[in-house]
Amino acid sequence: DQQVKQNSPSLSVQEGRISILNCDYTNSMFDYFLWYKKYPAEGPTFLISISSIKDKNEDGRFTVFLNKSAKHLSLHIVPSQPGDSAVYFCAASAGSGGYQKVTFGTGTKLQVIP
Amino acid sequence: GAVVSQHPSRVICKSGTSVKIECRSLDFQATTMFWYRQFPKKSLMLMATSNEGSKATYEQGVEKDKFLINHASLTLSTLTVTSAHPEDSSFYICSAGQALSYEQYFGPGTRLTVT
Repeated sequence: DQQVKQNSPSLSVQEGRISILNCDYTNSMFDYFLWYKKYPAEGPTFLISISSIKDKNEDGRFTVFLNKSAKHLSLHIVPSQPGDSAVYFCAASAGSGGYQKVTFGTGTKLQVIP
Repeated sequence: GAVVSQHPSRVICKSGTSVKIECRSLDFQATTMFWYRQFPKKSLMLMATSNEGSKATYEQGVEKDKFLINHASLTLSTLTVTSAHPEDSSFYICSAGQALSYEQYFGPGTRLTVT
């Protein structure tokens, strides 16, 4: 049962335009959401996160939006740059038992075309 | 962010042998370490969670006797793949975190190939 879903396996965007990566989740107990960026043969790198008490968090070119009623979040990257080309994982956590187990989505491969 | 290292970065072993992968948090004390496995074109799958000084908690479907996890100190966790088989070939990633913190810091991963 995939509790965190990224339905678009890939996305291509022109340099300078906006990239929108989407994520849906099913577990209403999730209270913290994270986005990670991953290059081939490397570990994921934390990008940005959002608590369930917020609906938006912005950090430079990256903004995450959370719609709790729809159990949906999205990552906006603007303007997109070629160096943003990577696989982006959406992740969610329910803060279980003092340590935070993170459930990952399947990833979306973003290609930013120069 | 914090730095987590993994060693080795790549390992090739013969079927039936055991392989140990180390995960170290270099600049902070990790009360919790996580081990993930990534299958091609699939998500990162959590294998187990280990807290320093206690037994690891394995996810459903992960064989604890095959994937031995030790978290002997606040800076080191090891994953040993015992009696490796070709189907164990994968990319293994560790992450480290601290109690009550949502953020995890990931290692660079270890590519295991079993021939």
